[in-house]
Amino acid sequence: QSALTQPASVSGSPGQSITMSCSGSSGDIGDYVSWYVQYPGQAPKLIIYEVTNRPSGVSDRFSGSKSGNTASLTISGLQADDEGHYYCSQYTTYNLLFGGGTRLTVL
Amino acid sequence: VQLVESGGGVVQPGESLRLSCAASGFAFSSAGMHWVRQAPGKGLEWVGVISFDGTSAHYGDSVRGRFSISRDNSKNIIYLHMTTLRGEDSATYYCAKDQGGDYEFDYWGQGVLVTVSS
Repeated sequence: QSALTQPASVSGSPGQSITMSCSGSSGDIGDYVSWYVQYPGQAPKLIIYEVTNRPSGVSDRFSGSKSGNTASLTISGLQADDEGHYYCSQYTTYNLLFGGGTRLTVL
Repeated sequence: VQLVESGGGVVQPGESLRLSCAASGFAFSSAGMHWVRQAPGKGLEWVGVISFDGTSAHYGDSVRGRFSISRDNSKNIIYLHMTTLRGEDSATYYCAKDQGGDYEFDYWGQGVLVTVSS
């Protein structure tokens, strides 16, 4: 069964950069990977789509990339209000998988 | 853009429930629409999608055959029809707008809670 694997948690200090991963179960994670952030009590928010693209209004501190079966989200210049849960998703024909989510803690 | 879900509540296992999502602020009849759910304290799970014109729908493995999605473009509403509900269907259900056809969700509702319990 296909799955997207994310680390349960990552942490960093203000001003630092962090990178979190999203690994698929097959050879290439594909071109339709999105990232969402969910703050407590809120709906998720789209921050990256199609691996590398940022929606209008999303800070350029957020960037996406991929290599093989793994997509990555990098947050530079970490800020306290970046704390939240980050989810990746992968679209394949008529199906969508979410990763289990990564909790980001800003120390 | 606004998406407002309604219809949640407490139901017993085996019962049915219909959720609604009222949309405004965008060209509703041109957008694919999705349902995504989140069990308490858990991650996101894609439930399904309905095409812009309502002619096709696709579902996640865990709900296929029990849930169905419909839409009324004259009222700017989508529905999630849930049957044979199980405890594991307990979750907050979000409707979400597809940004461009590749299952990327640029707008989400606030969510509605469904609890399946005897």
